[in-house]
Amino acid sequence: NAGVTQTPKFQVLKTGQSMTLQCAQDMNHNSMYWYRQDPGMGLRLIYYSASEGTTDKGEVPNGYNVSRLNKREFSLRLESAAPSQTSVYFCASSPRSGQVNQPQHFGDGTRLSIL
Amino acid sequence: GNSVTQMEGPVTLSEEAFLTINCTYTATGYPSLFWYVQYPGEGLQLLLKATKADDKGSNKGFEATYRKETTSFHLEKGSVQVSDSAVYFCALSDLRSGAGSYQLTFGKGTKLSVIP
Repeated sequence: NAGVTQTPKFQVLKTGQSMTLQCAQDMNHNSMYWYRQDPGMGLRLIYYSASEGTTDKGEVPNGYNVSRLNKREFSLRLESAAPSQTSVYFCASSPRSGQVNQPQHFGDGTRLSIL
Repeated sequence: GNSVTQMEGPVTLSEEAFLTINCTYTATGYPSLFWYVQYPGEGLQLLLKATKADDKGSNKGFEATYRKETTSFHLEKGSVQVSDSAVYFCALSDLRSGAGSYQLTFGKGTKLSVIP
């Protein structure tokens, strides 16, 4: 039961470098999400994709881009990494976002440090 | 806008003690409420949920009741174990203004440590 798989698990970047965080789910979910988790801040939504072919900004989208490659995969790209983007990034999915009671299923996270 | 406020931690309890983690919310609509748990080094897992007023969610000995009159969803467990040590997040799902879809709003999390 893989659920939501994120790669890589850890990454260290230098300021200005770019990278893509990968996320895949095998639960046939329509909706996918990217969050960042910072100490004392809880989880904040970066971008989401309500369904294949659509993406929308969340609470903290600046400095990020996303691609919903297909129904399974949703990637997060940092074009020019900054130290303020040091965080733990979580991908999540849910059957669909059009219902209020849909829980989300989370991956194990990517721990990203930017020097 | 929507918001979730939960008690700040860390909370340290002895094994078999009673646990309460307070959570209150502000929402414009009729949200569903959730408790998620995060064990060290892992992602968040759904612990329990409640979708309407007076509903009680329960799982693994944890309980929380959706109280619309006090806008609260406090998490309780009668006898905690060392294995319950984790970070607990309260969250609500509501129609975010301008988003066109339901989104989760999280509290900041409460770290629980249970000592033998």
